[in-house]
Amino acid sequence: QPVLTQSSSASASLGSSVNLTCTLSRRYSGHIIAWHQQQPGKAPRYLMKLESSGTYKKGSGVPDRFSGSSSGADRYLTISNVQSEDEADYYCETWDTNTWVFGGGTMLTVL
Amino acid sequence: VQLVESGGGLIQPGGSLRLSCAASGFSVSSNDMSWVRQAPGKGLEWVSVMYTSGSPFYADSVKGRFTISRDISKNTLYLQMNSLRTEDTAMYYCAREVEFDYWGQGALVTVSS
Repeated sequence: QPVLTQSSSASASLGSSVNLTCTLSRRYSGHIIAWHQQQPGKAPRYLMKLESSGTYKKGSGVPDRFSGSSSGADRYLTISNVQSEDEADYYCETWDTNTWVFGGGTMLTVL
Repeated sequence: VQLVESGGGLIQPGGSLRLSCAASGFSVSSNDMSWVRQAPGKGLEWVSVMYTSGSPFYADSVKGRFTISRDISKNTLYLQMNSLRTEDTAMYYCAREVEFDYWGQGALVTVSS
């Protein structure tokens, strides 16, 4: 099954931009992934589905500040003009035959 | 679209519990539906899926102990959890489709003596 690797933590200054990375295991480098945001004490929220081509489709109500891109086995979540409410855990997720996997999550701190 | 879980609680090891996920705004029979859990302070873990075909699949950690089902007339997804272990303690979420485009608010299950 696929393995997703994420950095455990990241930080960004208010108003800046930040890239979060999710790396697929080599055999699954062409897989579609999804990004989810989990603010403290809340349920996860779907942000977008991201293809290997870099094409992404965002969920309802997701701000324009959030975008996605891809390069090889890497899937990126870019947050522009970072706001305080963006401080959260970010998880990538993918699926294969009858199984789903999550990355370990990246905790984003807004400075 | 809304998902609302219920049925969580405190249960002793070896006990059973049934979670419900009431859906509105769409039909659970027309979408693949999953359960995902999160142990305290930990990451997300997929638990089970029910495909639109009605076929269920499970993570190895719960296979043989948990059963996913749905009631189309009630538009509700269920998770029957038997032989519960302390390591099953988690917040349990239901989520829609393969990309989990909608999540419920979660139901807390605590397995402790």
